[in-house]
Amino acid sequence: SQQGEEDPQALSIQEGENATMNCSYKTSINNLQWYRQNSGRGLVHLILIRSNEREKHSGRLRVTLDTSKKSSSLLITASRAADTASYFCATDAGQAGTALIFGKGTTLSVSS
Amino acid sequence: DTAVSQTPKYLVTQMGNDKSIKCEQNLGHDTMYWYKQDSKKFLKIMFSYNNKELIINETVPNRFSPKSPDKAHLNLHINSLELGDSAVYFCASSPTGARGTQYFGPGTRLTVL
Repeated sequence: SQQGEEDPQALSIQEGENATMNCSYKTSINNLQWYRQNSGRGLVHLILIRSNEREKHSGRLRVTLDTSKKSSSLLITASRAADTASYFCATDAGQAGTALIFGKGTTLSVSS
Repeated sequence: DTAVSQTPKYLVTQMGNDKSIKCEQNLGHDTMYWYKQDSKKFLKIMFSYNNKELIINETVPNRFSPKSPDKAHLNLHINSLELGDSAVYFCASSPTGARGTQYFGPGTRLTVL
């Protein structure tokens, strides 16, 4: 069953602007991850935030997690054309060895 | 030095045929997965293997059968292909099950005519 729902489905911005994507999920989680998928490519892991963490940074990426609201956000600062891709949140709610449950993704388009 | 590789990248075939997609990872991971991504980019787990043993078998038609000859390989066999099987299939692996980062292959775009 689908766990994560990203919002918005599509986002278009100019280079240099910030992009914020949101993800909501339904059940308790061990961690939440964000992945990027360039057109025609596989998914690439961006960042993982554990259920006991509230915020995490990695370069131009900032992820927040609010377990009380079952939501997360991904902020990309000073976006570049190369950030154009689809972004997915994924949750792990089960035992080790069980799979991630992905949301529908946000398609980000950054124009120069 | 590709971490997770899949072959073929593109697969075009007729309805009713049987086909296989191969996946290999050189990361030494214990767990491997097959995901299906539909035309709306929705990604769904199909199978999960841990040390060659089946962990997850989601509601997938039994025309789909995964085979893991060793820890580094997880192949996907599909019998009697149907139009609805057209999708992109991704193989992935992880070292500690789903609680850690998963590493994805480049995908295999299957088109059933």
